[in-house]
Amino acid sequence: DTEVTQTPKHLVMGMTNKKSLKCEQHMGHRAMYWYKQKAKKPPELMFVYSYEKLSINESVPSRFSPECPNSSLLNLHLHALQPEDSALYLCASSPATWENNEKLFFGSGTQLSVL
Amino acid sequence: QKEVEQNSGPLSVPEGAIASLNCTYSDRGSQSFFWYRQYSGKSPELIMSIYSNGDKEDGRFTAQLNKASQYVSLLIRDSQPSDSATYLCAVTPRSVAQKLVFGQGTRLTINP
Repeated sequence: DTEVTQTPKHLVMGMTNKKSLKCEQHMGHRAMYWYKQKAKKPPELMFVYSYEKLSINESVPSRFSPECPNSSLLNLHLHALQPEDSALYLCASSPATWENNEKLFFGSGTQLSVL
Repeated sequence: QKEVEQNSGPLSVPEGAIASLNCTYSDRGSQSFFWYRQYSGKSPELIMSIYSNGDKEDGRFTAQLNKASQYVSLLIRDSQPSDSATYLCAVTPRSVAQKLVFGQGTRLTINP
């Protein structure tokens, strides 16, 4: 299994809603990532988990709350989002050897629209 | 100065020709360099990685790295219409091994 699976593929939510994005991988990778990508822009790093511990938070607003229940799963909990948070949310994983061949593999993403 | 810079294009190349995509980076200590391809509405797909100075070939793709000039490029030989996509250069800075920094991407169009 060489895939990173994200659900749902599309999500529409209101500003008062609470929702969660889910990500799963079974490649034995020990690092997992959340990236945000706006249209015609590159992916921007939000969070990194390494061995189930949060290692990087790129000053993301608290309305985004990551969770890593185990080495295969990564969640992103969403609450009180703003319309400008509408974007493609990408999950990625990597082996976490932190040698110079650390390759990230991306899931298909969740296209989020906040109304 | 941006950490990773690419010409945003669009770059238009006739079918069968060589497409050349360029990228420069600011952190001289960067160790890992990647090229991702992204079709519209899809997620980035890793197509090449390179870590040492010189060329690395994989099928129709060749990645070139020059650390002295802080320059990495991607050549696509015998370009096909299916190669039309945005190509993202990504670099791992020396300071933060867990962080992959992307350039703005170059939009490539292969004309039949």
